Amino acid sequence: DAKTTQPNSMESNEEEPVHLPCNHSTISGTDYIHWYRQLPSQGPEYVIHGLTSNVNNRMASLAIAEDRKSSTLILHRATLRDAAVYYCILRDVNNTDKLIFGTGTRLQVFP
Amino acid sequence: EAQVTQNPRYLITVTGKKLTVTCSQNMNHEYMSWYRQDPGLGLRQIYYSMNVEVTDKGDVPEGYKVSRKEKRNFPLILESPSPNQTSLYFCASSLGTSGYEQFFGPGTRLTVL
Repeated sequence: DAKTTQPNSMESNEEEPVHLPCNHSTISGTDYIHWYRQLPSQGPEYVIHGLTSNVNNRMASLAIAEDRKSSTLILHRATLRDAAVYYCILRDVNNTDKLIFGTGTRLQVFP
Repeated sequence: EAQVTQNPRYLITVTGKKLTVTCSQNMNHEYMSWYRQDPGLGLRQIYYSMNVEVTDKGDVPEGYKVSRKEKRNFPLILESPSPNQTSLYFCASSLGTSGYEQFFGPGTRLTVL
């Protein structure tokens, strides 16, 4: 099974960029990399996803290493509302359509 | 409004009393799944369904059942709940898996005494 590894926690100040890393050394060639976040007392919400190329949307950017063994979620200007647990997830390599959540990174944002 | 709904949102029950947590989505999604979330363990998938009448086990299926008789509904059934099933449960749906966004419900907090 493809697994992901993330730091348990990170801190940032408001208005500063945040780079959240994820390692996925056993990723298969057709696995997509998804990022979700979970705000306190809410269900997870989609942030961004990608396959090989870097991706941008209104919430964040996703930088994917050339060998695809790691990726980084970039929040360009952190706000207090970005304080959440961020999950990096992959589709199961055995193509059984299971999605495996990583351990998640708890992001704290300070004023 | 596109959404995933779960009911009930909170439930306290006793060991052995059968219960069902409902999940419904209004986006015509083919893929639906159930997760449980426990402190320190993150989200773990219980069951998933690729389409009507197609279900399969996730990582922690023991003690749970599901059914997918209609595309929009995917109930989670606990035939004989036990205290170790006390958890926060999330239902999710998407068009597919690999490249598709998953939409999560608001969660159901279950306590089994």
